[in-house]
Amino acid sequence: AQKVTQTQTSISVMEKTTVTMDCVYETRDSSYFLFWYKQTASGEIVFLIRQDSYKKENATEGHYSLNFQKPKSSIGLIITATQIEDSAVYFCAMREGTNTEGADRLTFGKGTQLIIQP
Amino acid sequence: GGIITQTPKFLIGQEGQKLTLKCQQNFNHDTMYWYRQDSGKGLRLIYYSITENDLQKGDLSEGYDASREKKSSFSLTVTSAQKNEMAVFLCASSLGGRRDTQYFGPGTRLLVL
Repeated sequence: AQKVTQTQTSISVMEKTTVTMDCVYETRDSSYFLFWYKQTASGEIVFLIRQDSYKKENATEGHYSLNFQKPKSSIGLIITATQIEDSAVYFCAMREGTNTEGADRLTFGKGTQLIIQP
Repeated sequence: GGIITQTPKFLIGQEGQKLTLKCQQNFNHDTMYWYRQDSGKGLRLIYYSITENDLQKGDLSEGYDASREKKSSFSLTVTSAQKNEMAVFLCASSLGGRRDTQYFGPGTRLLVL
């Protein structure tokens, strides 16, 4: 069964710095997709970035990038030049690529609250 | 672009009451989902549907029913509301491909008195 773990409950950093949020996953599938989502204080959830397991290059999207360490089953989210509006809860999620059971499901971690201080 | 609409935004119910939440999407997505989020917690999958009239159980389906009436809409029913229950129910949709992202609605906030 697939599993996603975010061990950091809360992180607080100063504005304009770089922050990394950790996520480790478990899967027996050889192909899988990893996602990061952001939930703002209003409750809105938005997609940020995706990493395909077969790609060696780390995905980047604006000031978001990923640190994909496949041997460690780890997918860290890096936010550079943080802004106050980056304060939110960040969720890591995974979908298996070839396992037919529950193929359409995303498995979410419990989230990391990021606080950006001025 | 598209949008997901959830109604109502807030729902206050009584213990034992049957409550229905509705979700509409205009992305023309095949797959739709219902999640429950308790305060400060992650998302737990209740039901999902990969096409019209299809229904798949998630991890938290007990105590809930769902209905995919048409491609654009997905309803969730709390069969018997539990006293002091408080949670946010989130609807999402996606094209259905394995790399496709899910898009989320704004949520329905439930409080049971």
